[in-house]
Amino acid sequence: NAGVTQTPKFRILKIGQSMTLQCTQDMNHNYMYWYRQDPGMGLKLIYYSVGAGITDKGEVPNGYNVSRSTTEDFPLRLELAAPSQTSVYFCASSSQTVSGANVLTFGAGSRLTVL
Amino acid sequence: TQLLEQSPQFLSIQEGENLTVYCNSSSVFSSLQWYRQEPGEGPVLLVTVVTGGEVKKLKRLTFQFGDARKDSSLHITAAQPGDTGLYLCAGGGNTPLVFGKGTRLSVIA
Repeated sequence: NAGVTQTPKFRILKIGQSMTLQCTQDMNHNYMYWYRQDPGMGLKLIYYSVGAGITDKGEVPNGYNVSRSTTEDFPLRLELAAPSQTSVYFCASSSQTVSGANVLTFGAGSRLTVL
Repeated sequence: TQLLEQSPQFLSIQEGENLTVYCNSSSVFSSLQWYRQEPGEGPVLLVTVVTGGEVKKLKRLTFQFGDARKDSSLHITAAQPGDTGLYLCAGGGNTPLVFGKGTRLSVIA
């Protein structure tokens, strides 16, 4: 059982370039998320999705776009990369437990550097 | 905006010592989760607490949810080098979860 798979694991971009971070999950979870993690800053939510065809902005959505055409896939697109987007990006998925709590399963992360 | 503050931010202790880390908020959460993250990996869930005053034990780790559901603590007994990592608390119940900035624990053999 693969869980949440992110690609690529590492990437270096030049300022102004664009790229897509891929995320796929095989647990049939309805909810999917993209977070970024900067040193000492915890996890900040970029975008999330509660199901195929539905996406919503999180705390820090500027400079990013997402789509959710299938339950399994939730790619994150960076347009016109900027140094401020240098970070580690985590994709996660979840389904609600009986208690109503959303338990997140995270991917291994994608480290992006913009120079 | 709901915020979770974790303390201490950094903690370095000797193997065998006990420690407690805290997660506090001015907001009420319907549930609170603790995750541990090791270098180069994503966070992994340790526990979910949903009832005010609830205490859960996971081997040497004891988790408590405050009576008012605004705070939580994680106590580790006889810490081991394998406990080293970043401990994150997250509050919610409905999407999306709010994460604290984490406590970075280093246990020295």
